Amino acid sequence: SQQGEEDPQALSIQEGENATMNCSYKTSINNLQWYRQNSGRGLVHLILIRSNEREKHSGRLRVTLDTSKKSSSLLITASRAADTASYFCATDTLYYNQGGKLIFGQGTELSVKP
Amino acid sequence: EAQVTQNPRYLITVTGKKLTVTCSQNMNHEYMSWYRQDPGLGLRQIYYSMNVEVTDKGDVPEGYKVSRKEKRNFPLILESPSPNQTSLYFCASSLSPNQLHEQYFGPGTRLTVT
Repeated sequence: SQQGEEDPQALSIQEGENATMNCSYKTSINNLQWYRQNSGRGLVHLILIRSNEREKHSGRLRVTLDTSKKSSSLLITASRAADTASYFCATDTLYYNQGGKLIFGQGTELSVKP
Repeated sequence: EAQVTQNPRYLITVTGKKLTVTCSQNMNHEYMSWYRQDPGLGLRQIYYSMNVEVTDKGDVPEGYKVSRKEKRNFPLILESPSPNQTSLYFCASSLSPNQLHEQYFGPGTRLTVT
């Protein structure tokens, strides 16, 4: 079953605005990762947040993790047209006997208009 | 340059004709994985490998085989392709199998089975 689910499925904003995407998951995790995918291309890792972390920053990106609610959010500040892409969260499982499995959500399609 | 390469990038084939998609990484990563991406279904893991000669099924392994005879290579084999295996395939690698490291993705292989 799908672990991560992103919300919204699609988001359209103007350049300069902030974009917030949310991810919910079902079972306990070791870490949660966010990836970006430009149309039809490979995924690029953005940021990893561990289960004992609550917030992490990388440039214009801010990720939060709430393990009690099993949810995470990705905030992109001062968005640019080049940020137009699909964004995915991915979670691994806490349980050793399932180690190695990374489960992706269906993604949020972000469109930033100039 | 650190990278994951896949070949071929595009392939059109017919039902039942065996094919292999190669994947190679030059980062000495222990962990490698195959995913397929389909509209509305997101990325789903096919097989993964924790290390040489160690492979495990992901969420959608039916119809696929893999092997990991060398650390750098992780080919995906479709013994008898069917139209429902038409998809965009990604290979990925990670430093270690405990998922505390980001995954590096290849550029993708777009497969069409007629």
